[in-house]
Amino acid sequence: DTAVSQTPKYLVTQMGNDKSIKCEQNLGHDTMYWYKQDSKKFLKIMFSYNNKELIINETVPNRFSPKSPDKAHLNLHINSLELGDSAVYFCASSQASGSSEQFFGPGTRLTVL
Amino acid sequence: GENVEQHPSTLSVQEGDSAVIKCTYSDSASNYFPWYKQELGKGPQLIIDIRSNVGEKKDQRIAVTLNKTAKHFSLHITETQPEDSAVYFCAANHISAGTYKYIFGTGTRLKVLA
Repeated sequence: DTAVSQTPKYLVTQMGNDKSIKCEQNLGHDTMYWYKQDSKKFLKIMFSYNNKELIINETVPNRFSPKSPDKAHLNLHINSLELGDSAVYFCASSQASGSSEQFFGPGTRLTVL
Repeated sequence: GENVEQHPSTLSVQEGDSAVIKCTYSDSASNYFPWYKQELGKGPQLIIDIRSNVGEKKDQRIAVTLNKTAKHFSLHITETQPEDSAVYFCAANHISAGTYKYIFGTGTRLKVLA
């Protein structure tokens, strides 16, 4: 009965490849997020969706494309992976955006070789 | 842009002592301030939060104080235990183009020495 789940947990790939990370929440929340946590542990928001609609799109290279097929799922596709994309990516969800608890998934550690 | 400063970056305390982590935010319109605990290999988890209409909130060994005038808020952990060892993040919400988002602090690695 995991609240926010992500797959895969680990992803090791070569530069230039394309990869996807999937996220699902079973909390009935309307808002979902993608965060990037770098090696220094800095947590930065990348995208946010509310009811399948993109509401936050930070300054992220357009190689990153989120997709929300329904409000329980938010996937992240990354094209032409670069070394600097290596990080831990967290999915999160909340009932409302910005003023309520965000529930984080376990993270996906992406390593680009 | 808006930012949240967090200090210290690392903190070591003896078991049973208190730990204090401080944050400063820049957006005077921020009105929600959560604190998250991140254990090794896991996602951040909310431990306590405070809204701008309250100056202090306590939950067992954890308390948060907010000074809106100075734009400071702090996390206080009393009677620390080894399982309190983790990275702690403060955050403040920020509204931009009609949408709220969190701005996170840079994290504090807390070590509780047995």
